[in-house]
Amino acid sequence: EVQLVESGGGLVQPGGSLRLSCVASGFTFSSYWMSWVRQAPGKGLEWVANIKQDGSEKYYVDSVKGRFTIFRDNTKNSLYLQMNSLRAEDSAVYYCARGLDYGVHFDSWGQGTLVTVSS
Amino acid sequence: QSVLTQPPSASGAPGQRVSISCSGSSSNIGSNYVYWYQQFPGTTPRLLIYWSNQRPSGVPDRFSGSKSGTSASLAISGLRSEDEADYYCAAWDDSLSGGVFGGGTKLTVL
Repeated sequence: EVQLVESGGGLVQPGGSLRLSCVASGFTFSSYWMSWVRQAPGKGLEWVANIKQDGSEKYYVDSVKGRFTIFRDNTKNSLYLQMNSLRAEDSAVYYCARGLDYGVHFDSWGQGTLVTVSS
Repeated sequence: QSVLTQPPSASGAPGQRVSISCSGSSSNIGSNYVYWYQQFPGTTPRLLIYWSNQRPSGVPDRFSGSKSGTSASLAISGLRSEDEADYYCAAWDDSLSGGVFGGGTKLTVL
């Protein structure tokens, strides 16, 4: 069974940093594109970033470019999102999602981890 | 303001057919596949339609997707109370080099 388990969320002050993790199991992690998708409270879904199987390609939504970094460790079946210079508008549930290609074709999602940016 | 435009709400009576639209541009829907996700309150999204008109196993054939030009639609026939959920369209955008979602449509079964 495919499982994606996120962690690392919490309360952080504006300008602060946070690193999210997503541990995958039940499939060959190194064979899949992986993405982060977020959802602000009461709002819609927003694609944040994705990364190729070997980490050689990464894409980001404009609003996080230069502040967030997506990376992965295939030896640990883990996906990460390093978030710096956090803003209030980054507050959201962050989902880890398995992609069947480089785009937005997600067949499995984690339960999400909540990030709150507030003073 | 989402790159893909969906109506914020839709509704229908049990047994009826409803359609949810998703409007984009040549750089996203016009040149890439469209995906549809269903999300119930407090739960994670579920893939409903992929490659614009294909259903994953386990998704009832009451759900269908279509695409024409820079627009796409999700149709639900034989509406049931359990279809009440939020529905999102999504596509890759070649100009942005990123994924884009619609703002979501809240479906109410009357």
